[in-house]
Amino acid sequence: DQQVKQNSPSLSVQEGRISILNCDYTNSMFDYFLWYKKYPAEGPTFLISISSIKDKNEDGRFTVFLNKSAKHLSLHIVPSQPGDSAVYFCAASEGSGTYKYIFGTGTRLKVLA
Amino acid sequence: NAGVTQTPKFQVLKTGQSMTLQCAQDMNHEYMSWYRQDPGMGLRLIHYSVGAGITDQGEVPNGYNVSRSTTEDFPLRLLSAAPSQTSVYFCASSYLRDTDTQYFGPGTRLTVL
Repeated sequence: DQQVKQNSPSLSVQEGRISILNCDYTNSMFDYFLWYKKYPAEGPTFLISISSIKDKNEDGRFTVFLNKSAKHLSLHIVPSQPGDSAVYFCAASEGSGTYKYIFGTGTRLKVLA
Repeated sequence: NAGVTQTPKFQVLKTGQSMTLQCAQDMNHEYMSWYRQDPGMGLRLIHYSVGAGITDQGEVPNGYNVSRSTTEDFPLRLLSAAPSQTSVYFCASSYLRDTDTQYFGPGTRLTVL
């Protein structure tokens, strides 16, 4: 049973436009959410996180939105750049001290120049 | 700093063979973890450690052993390899106070024939 789901395996966006990557979760105990980015032949790198006490967190071109009632989060990238082309994973945990993270299956983003 | 290093980069085993995947970090991180990445499955936590001498199971621990005798090293042992263990393995580390921001190694691609 997949507790963290990324239903879009791939997404293509024009350079300069907005990229929206979606993630749904089923476990209501999750209260911390993360996004990681992964380039081919490299390990994932941390991008941005959000706690369940917030509904939005921004870091430069990246914004994560959390809708707890819908158990849904999204990552917005504005403006999208060709260097953003990568696989994006969302992940969730039941809070600090649990040390266990459940990752989604990933969405491959391709930004077209 | 070398960050998180993993050896080997590639490995082919026969069913029933044993081997150890090495992971080392030079950032004095207390938290270390092992994930496997399979197509369509995302990253799944195998084992993790919150400090030397302390390890715990993740989502998919069966068939794998770990130990943490030093802060720097966190080897993953396959006692009797099976084809189902064919995967890409990632090691990660972080400070215990900030396990959201894990630093991943480049991965080991393991094939079990």
